[in-house]
Amino acid sequence: AQKITQTQPGMFVQEKEAVTLDCTYDTSDQSYGLFWYKQPSSGEMIFLIYQGSYDEQNATEGRYSLNFQKARKSANLVISASQLGDSAMYFCAMREGDTGFQKLVFGTGTRLLVSP
Amino acid sequence: DGGITQSPKYLFRKEGQNVTLSCEQNLNHDAMYWYRQDPGQGLRLIYYSQIVNDFQKGDIAEGYSVSREKKESFPLTVTSAQKNPTAFYLCASREGGRSEQYFGPGTRLTVT
Repeated sequence: AQKITQTQPGMFVQEKEAVTLDCTYDTSDQSYGLFWYKQPSSGEMIFLIYQGSYDEQNATEGRYSLNFQKARKSANLVISASQLGDSAMYFCAMREGDTGFQKLVFGTGTRLLVSP
Repeated sequence: DGGITQSPKYLFRKEGQNVTLSCEQNLNHDAMYWYRQDPGQGLRLIYYSQIVNDFQKGDIAEGYSVSREKKESFPLTVTSAQKNPTAFYLCASREGGRSEQYFGPGTRLTVT
């Protein structure tokens, strides 16, 4: 079964600095996808970034980039130039299934606190 | 504005009562999902539906039921058989051919 591990329960960063949130995964599938979601205190899950297992380039979306290291089975999220509004829970997730039904398996999350 | 709506945001029920959580999307997405989140945990899949009139159990379906009579709607019923129903419930949808799921704002259910 697929598994996502996030070993950092909490991270602190100062405003304008970069921060890396760790995510490792375990799967025997050749085709899979990795996601990062942000969950502010309001509770809604906000999609940030996606990386397919066959994508050769690391995914980037604005201030977010996904550091994908396939051999190490890691998919770390890098947030550049942190902002106060980045304070939230961050979840790494993996897609199970390729075509048709696709299920997401989530890690337990990392709480990020950005200080002024 | 396109999106996913869930109502109500907070729901309180007495033990032994069934309760239905609403999920509506106007994104024209085929696939819809229900997840449960407990404190300090990630999300776990309850039910999913790929098309109208079809749905499948997820990892923790016991004590829950769903219907998918319309593309836009995927209501979740929490029955009295669910042993620990107090949780945060999130609905999501996905466009066919895409991988990312988009989530609604969630419903926090408290059963006493």
